[in-house]
Amino acid sequence: GDSVTQMEGPVTLSEEAFLTINCTYTATGYPSLFWYVQYPGEGLQLLLKATKADDKGSNKGFEATYRKETTSFHLEKGSVQVSDSAVYFCALSVYAGGTSYGKLTFGQGTILTVHP
Amino acid sequence: NAGVTQTPKFRVLKTGQSMTLLCAQDMNHEYMYWYRQDPGMGLRLIHYSVGEGTTAKGEVPDGYNVSRLKKQNFLLGLESAAPSQTSVYFCASSLQGGSTGELFFGEGSRLTVL
Repeated sequence: GDSVTQMEGPVTLSEEAFLTINCTYTATGYPSLFWYVQYPGEGLQLLLKATKADDKGSNKGFEATYRKETTSFHLEKGSVQVSDSAVYFCALSVYAGGTSYGKLTFGQGTILTVHP
Repeated sequence: NAGVTQTPKFRVLKTGQSMTLLCAQDMNHEYMYWYRQDPGMGLRLIHYSVGEGTTAKGEVPDGYNVSRLKKQNFLLGLESAAPSQTSVYFCASSLQGGSTGELFFGEGSRLTVL
């Protein structure tokens, strides 16, 4: 079945440090890949997505590139801020055609804490 | 614009009690979902709906029931609560299915079963 594996957390960084959160996946077919972010006390919200191989999703200084050859979608940011402290979820969805639901499969989440 | 609203936000139950979580969305979305979030396990899909009057089972449906009588509402019921159902529950909606459309999440409902 489809699955998503994220790097173990929590991750603690100082402000302006470089961030990488690893995400690898297994999927039947050709998945779309997503990063969702959950700020304290809130629901998840879409951070970025990529729908085909070699696509790069980007938003708010975060980037992730869909690497089919390594089945990866690592999240990166060049300079993190305290406000980036949150839980980050990698997810995938495989469209099976027609009116297929294409459910989202989530990784376990990575807690990021950024100190001033 | 309220988006996705869940009620109640907190609830404590005793084993065997029943309750209903209400999810309401004002974006005219076709798809609605109920997830549960447990530490170290990410989000797991309980039930979902692809339109008014339809429901389907997700990964972990046992012990839960759902109804979608109106397009904007998706109810999650626990008929006989168990401690294993202690979790944070998230409702989400999307215009299209999850493979192409963004999911919009509510703020969550924290349920504790004693």
